[in-house]
Amino acid sequence: SQQGEEDPQALSIQEGENATMNCSYKTSINNLQWYRQNSGRGLVHLILIRSNEREKHSGRLRVTLDTSKKSSSLLITASRAADTASYFCANSGAGSYQLTFGKGTKLSVIP
Amino acid sequence: DAGVIQSPRHEVTEMGQEVTLRCKPISGHDYLFWYRQTMMRGLELLIYFNNNVPIDDSGMPEDRFSAKMPNASFSTLKIQPSEPRDSAVYFCASSRRLAGVGGELFFGEGSRLTVL
Repeated sequence: SQQGEEDPQALSIQEGENATMNCSYKTSINNLQWYRQNSGRGLVHLILIRSNEREKHSGRLRVTLDTSKKSSSLLITASRAADTASYFCANSGAGSYQLTFGKGTKLSVIP
Repeated sequence: DAGVIQSPRHEVTEMGQEVTLRCKPISGHDYLFWYRQTMMRGLELLIYFNNNVPIDDSGMPEDRFSAKMPNASFSTLKIQPSEPRDSAVYFCASSRRLAGVGGELFFGEGSRLTVL
């Protein structure tokens, strides 16, 4: 299975702190994407990192990719209560053009 | 753009009944996906279409599930007969390109199905 796994499953931090979520996957990939899901809502695309990239930034988000370790991390800096959501990594494996999602990290940011 | 539109948002039905979930993708998106989300299994891809044609339905759990896309602006996922284990949130998503070539998915708000 290409399903990725996020770590930790749940994370609780204070507003203003940084939040780091990790993702591991099993096979070689074309790219890896991160999505956010607010409670009771659909998933929203955050950022995509290609297999030949090591780091990417978007606003308060920083994503890293280590293809040798088959892992990625998502860092949210200066977290806000509005960042409370579940975060999913999804990979597109080499030879497959579809996205396979992990089970997500549930982030709670306490005001 | 209105985004991906799904209906109904909530459906409660009894075992054995037929369930039809509907989806309107974003105009201009050539790919449409149906996913199912449960606590136990996470997000599972059920089927996807390219230009209204089903490409991969290997994720459809059983013959009780069927999906159609009669035109570029409408798709249905049907479960007949429904069973309690079908209870889940069903998401429709669309994209301009496949993820393998850098496409990102745009999700609807989901249809929460409860089968009693």
